This record gives sequence, C-alpha cells and structure tokens, in this order.
Amino acid sequence: QQQVKQSPQSLIVQKGGISIINCAYENTAFDYFPWYQQFPGKGPALLIAIRPDVSEKKEGRFTISFNKSAKQFSLHIMDSQPGDSATYFCAAGWGYGQNFVFGPGTRLSVLP
Amino acid sequence: EPEVTQTPSHQVTQMGQEVILRCVPISNHLYFYWYRQILGQKVEFLVSFYNNEISEKSEIFDDQFSVERPDGSNFTLKIRSTKLEDSAMYFCASSRDGNYGYTFGSGTRLTVV
Repeated sequence: QQQVKQSPQSLIVQKGGISIINCAYENTAFDYFPWYQQFPGKGPALLIAIRPDVSEKKEGRFTISFNKSAKQFSLHIMDSQPGDSATYFCAAGWGYGQNFVFGPGTRLSVLP
Repeated sequence: EPEVTQTPSHQVTQMGQEVILRCVPISNHLYFYWYRQILGQKVEFLVSFYNNEISEKSEIFDDQFSVERPDGSNFTLKIRSTKLEDSAMYFCASSRDGNYGYTFGSGTRLTVV
C-alpha cells in the first residue's frame, strides 16, 4: 500500500516535444506529491509538488496533473529541451515530517 | 542557494568495518533524513530525525545503523558492520519545517568490498 508506481521506465522525446510521466499510488493517507529531477552523480532536486486539494499546478514548462479519485498524478514537461535529460522520480508523502515513498524513476532523454 | 553538504563523496570500505557518513544540513532546517539509492534503483527512505531523536525509520534501518547530531551542524549516519549489500549512494536531506519537499545533498557513494 505504500508503493508508488511510475511509468514509463524510459522516455525519448524530440526537442520541443511534450514529455509525460505517470505515477499511481494506493495509500490515501498521502498528502504531498513532489517530483524530483536527478542528474548523474547528483542528489534528487525538487522540481515541483502538489497537494491533493488541487488538480493541477504549473511552474514554467512543468505541470503536475492530479486525479485524486483515480489516485494518479503525472508530470508534463512542455517544450522539452536537451537540458531536461535526467531521471525523474515521483514521490508521495504523508504527515508532518514527510517521509517520502519514491517511484522507481523515469530516464528521460531529449534529442536535439 | 543554501546546500546540504555531504562528505566524503566516495568511500570504499572493507566488509565488516564501521563507516560514518557525514552531512551538514541547511542551517535553519529542523528535520533531517537519510535515504539510499542502490545503483540504478529507486531512492529508499532510511530514517528521519527531529528534535534530537529518530521520528521514523524504515525496515532497512536495522540495528547496524545509527544516526547522530553530535553538534549544532553535523548529522551523521553510522553503519556498524558493513555488508556488501550496503553498497549504495547515501543521500542526506533536510527540511525547514517538515511540511514541504526537502533539499537533498549530492550523496556519498559507499562501496563495500
């Protein structure tokens, strides 16, 4: 019940295209859903996050869509750039102090 | 921008030896965490620490692991008797108030041989 599923495992997108990564969870106690971006040799960096009381959040080229009834959320990267090539992790947390459960990651490659 | 600093960046140790991984969280943060990432796999929660005590730990965090905040700035993870399967990237993270996504360090790559 604490698992977070993520797909696809890898994604190749042309420059300027839209990258879409999907996640699903089961534990309805989760109340915070961040996305992290990780470059090789670096720690995960918080990209954007959403709480279940909103259905969408946009920051620049990055948008989270959240479907509470389906227990799914997704990351959309508009106008994808080669510099976006990284591994993306969705995560879910609950309670104050937020111990996150991470998805298995999606390796995104944006071709120039 | 404030950073979480981890040292060393890479540590090689013999199986059965003790290792201490060190972290300096962001100075005004109150919540501290250790996660690990086995090569190519997902990030896994180990332990969270608040108000000088463990607030939550995972099943991975067994009696071989311990954490400490020995002074006002450092946060350490000790593995008492390392096993081959402890080889991973260990990430420290900190959070200001525990209610938002937190900041990760760049990690320590632990290799147990």
